[in-house]
Amino acid sequence: GAGVSQTPSNKVTEKGKYVELRCDPISGHTALYWYRQSLGQGPEFLIYFQGTGAADDSGLPNDRFFAVRPEGSVSTLKIQRTERGDSAVYLCASSFGLSFQETQYFGPGTRLLVL
Amino acid sequence: AQSVTQLGSHVSVSEGALVLLRCNYSSSVPPYLFWYVQYPNQGLQLLLKYTTGATLVKGINGFEAEFKKSETSFHLTKPSAHMSDAAEYFCAVSDPNSGGYQKVTFGTGTKLQVIP
Repeated sequence: GAGVSQTPSNKVTEKGKYVELRCDPISGHTALYWYRQSLGQGPEFLIYFQGTGAADDSGLPNDRFFAVRPEGSVSTLKIQRTERGDSAVYLCASSFGLSFQETQYFGPGTRLLVL
Repeated sequence: AQSVTQLGSHVSVSEGALVLLRCNYSSSVPPYLFWYVQYPNQGLQLLLKYTTGATLVKGINGFEAEFKKSETSFHLTKPSAHMSDAAEYFCAVSDPNSGGYQKVTFGTGTKLQVIP
């Protein structure tokens, strides 16, 4: 079946602009996660959803970052007033539930470059 | 706070040789531990995980890892490297008492090169 998909695969924007990154989880997965992976680093947790609500958004770096999941499926990560330091690969993952037995399945990521 | 340290950002092994990728963790409570692999232009894929029970965990593609509490380690091994094992490997930890076991903290990764 289809895995986690993310669009766009690449995004180039200018400093100060607004961007939206989309994640389509695996069908039936109720939990969805966002991570950010900077060059040479491991993924860094940003936020995760259980259904429509953000269960933990403690990893969002500041109030320029916001994520939604209005219908409990597709999620959008929104970044306002982008800065060069926001350049990174943004990863999305989903899992069937939040049980410790559940595996997170990752998408290929969106590579964001802020000029 | 939980964290992981991966020793060696790059590791090279000959095809057929033992693969050993090192990971040490820091956690206030018995953690859950993971190894993920990332092939070029692909998403992260779970290799194996330790939650409870047997400390030697077997994963996909012939990899295994052993949880050693006394050494706070979770090293990844494979007896014989294949060319297809060339990828980046990430060790990760989650602390059930620190945001839940699904809030995963990743190490900085180790790139494995396999030399023919």
